[in-house]
Amino acid sequence: DSGVTQTPKHLITATGQRVTLRCSPRSGDLSVYWYQQSLDQGLQFLIQYYNGEERAKGNILERFSAQQFPDLHSELNLSSLELGDSALYFCASSSQRGGTDDYEQYFGPGTRLTVT
Amino acid sequence: AQSVTQPDIHITVSEGASLELRCNYSYGATPYLFWYVQSPGQGLQLLLKYFSGDTLVQGIKGFEAEFKRSQSSFNLRKPSVHWSDAAEYFCAVGPMDSNYQLIWGAGTKLIIKP
Repeated sequence: DSGVTQTPKHLITATGQRVTLRCSPRSGDLSVYWYQQSLDQGLQFLIQYYNGEERAKGNILERFSAQQFPDLHSELNLSSLELGDSALYFCASSSQRGGTDDYEQYFGPGTRLTVT
Repeated sequence: AQSVTQPDIHITVSEGASLELRCNYSYGATPYLFWYVQSPGQGLQLLLKYFSGDTLVQGIKGFEAEFKRSQSSFNLRKPSVHWSDAAEYFCAVGPMDSNYQLIWGAGTKLIIKP
């Protein structure tokens, strides 16, 4: 158990809908990363937050957005869903408190999104 | 541009045989180096990491990896695989100027023959 939790575990929704995925980082970790994993694209970095602020953006679509709250949990919002958005969405966290483990990312179990 | 290459998409080995998964990176300086494992239906788990010092690092589940600066490689090894090692393995590098981002390889799927 990595200490990172994600809800829900599975989500089935229709095209055009909006969903919210939730992530709670490991206790004490300040940074949260979101990834999308699909069969044809591999592991794609979407966005990173550090202590409530956006730190880096990857291949995140404009239809997707995220935020990190004062208690450090994070939510990924996916809107106007398309069939191609079906994938596993992972959250990872890292401490980034100035130690040698700042690059280590700890992954949650993922949310499997199916868009029909 | 910085990149990570895992040249083998799939590797099949017999149970009890040795294993080596390859990882090469492209970066000007020595980055931080990681191997992660993803079992079916699971998230990614950190196997081992290299920051500095001894170039042979030991990880969990009996895995080890060797950093070779001259070859820009960080290959993962295990002397004797078990059926439970069947999974996908990801190499990642953390360049020191990357704002703590990791650059990920495409992954190698390990299949174990009984």
